[in-house]
Formats: sequence, structure tokens, C-alpha cells
Amino acid sequence: KQEVTQIPAALSVPEGENLVLNCSFTDSAIYNLQWFRQDPGKGLTSLLLIQSSQREQTSGRLNASLDKSSGRSTLYIAASQPGDSATYLCAVRSSGANSKLTFGKGITLSVRP
Amino acid sequence: ETGVTQTPRHLVMGMTNKKSLKCEQHLGHNAMYWYKQSAKKPLELMFVYSLEERVENNSVPSRFSPECPNSSHLFLHLHTLQPEDSALYLCASSQIRTSGGVTDTQYFGPGTRLTVL
Repeated sequence: KQEVTQIPAALSVPEGENLVLNCSFTDSAIYNLQWFRQDPGKGLTSLLLIQSSQREQTSGRLNASLDKSSGRSTLYIAASQPGDSATYLCAVRSSGANSKLTFGKGITLSVRP
Repeated sequence: ETGVTQTPRHLVMGMTNKKSLKCEQHLGHNAMYWYKQSAKKPLELMFVYSLEERVENNSVPSRFSPECPNSSHLFLHLHTLQPEDSALYLCASSQIRTSGGVTDTQYFGPGTRLTVL
């Protein structure tokens, strides 16, 4: 059974800092991995999706990496801003294109002005 | 605007009430999902509908009853709920390509915050 872990559960950093959010998963036979952002009381917004054959994806100040063999992914946020404050969730789709997404509990990020 | 809307946004109900949550997607997708998000727990998949057929039911109690009348609408009918059912209920949609079976990313609605007294 796939399990996804995100540690720590919460993180507080000053504005402008570069930061890394970690995600680990137990079964390396994955189809893809996705990072989502969730604002309080809102739904999820997809940030980056990495296919199992890829090592990283970039979008603006965000960069996500994937190391399947070690069961790890990182989300790098450059020059953090208060508007980046949100909960970041990692989700893994196991092998089999139509298999379900398994989510981590998320990391709640607070960027202080 | 994510293209997936949910109503109501907030709902308070007693354990003997019957209510329904509604989800509508405007993205032309062919698959829809119900998730439950409880405090301190990962998102839990409840139901999946693909091409209006239920393809997955993750051992959800019968007090939750889904309905998918067409590819754009999804309902979750609630009756005799328990206080532990209080959570954020999220709807999502995606496009499953029948050739190759690839599933694109899921788009989520804003959720319904449910409180059961």
C-alpha cells in the first residue's frame, strides 16, 4: 500500500528565503507525482506534475524534483513571498495510468513579511 | 475560477437530517471524484465516476450515497451522518483518455465545509 509522508507539518520562514519542501513515498513504482497548493478553506490547485520518466519540472519560482529510486520528491520555492503562504500537498499516482492519487497530509507554509 | 463549482460552501446539519452536496464541472471532463479532507489526515478518495459509471468506492459507509446523472454533475447525498463525518468535502474532475488510458491532472472545486452536530 502506497504511503506518502510530508515532514515537517508546518514551516515558517522570513520573506525572501529560498526553501525546500520534502515528500517521501514508500512504493517507487509510480506513474507520476504531483504537487498541489491549498489555501485555507479552498480547494486544491495543481502546481507541478512530474511523470515517472522525468527528474524535474519548473514553473516560475517553483521547481519540483523526483528521485524514484529513493522515493523522494522536493518542491523548491525561490525568493519566497507572503503570498506563498498556503498548505502544499504532494500526491503520488501509482503505476497504472488510472490508479488513484495517494496524498500526503501537507506542509503548511507561512512566509513572514 | 477553477472550472469546478461546489454548493453549498458551508453546511451544518443534525444527525437525523438528509442533505445533498452538489458539484458541477465546466471543463468537458469525463471523470469526477469525491474526496474527504479531515483535520490532520490526508485527503481520502471516496468515489470515482468515469463516463458516468461508478468505478471505485473506497469502502465508504452507506450513509454517503453518490449520484452522477451526467458527465458534468455529481452529487453526494447525506443521511444519518455522525459527528466524525464533519470535514471538507472536495469534488474534482479530470479527463481520462480512452486511448492509452492516461489520466490528466485533476481539477478541484473549492469544497463544502460540513459540520455534523
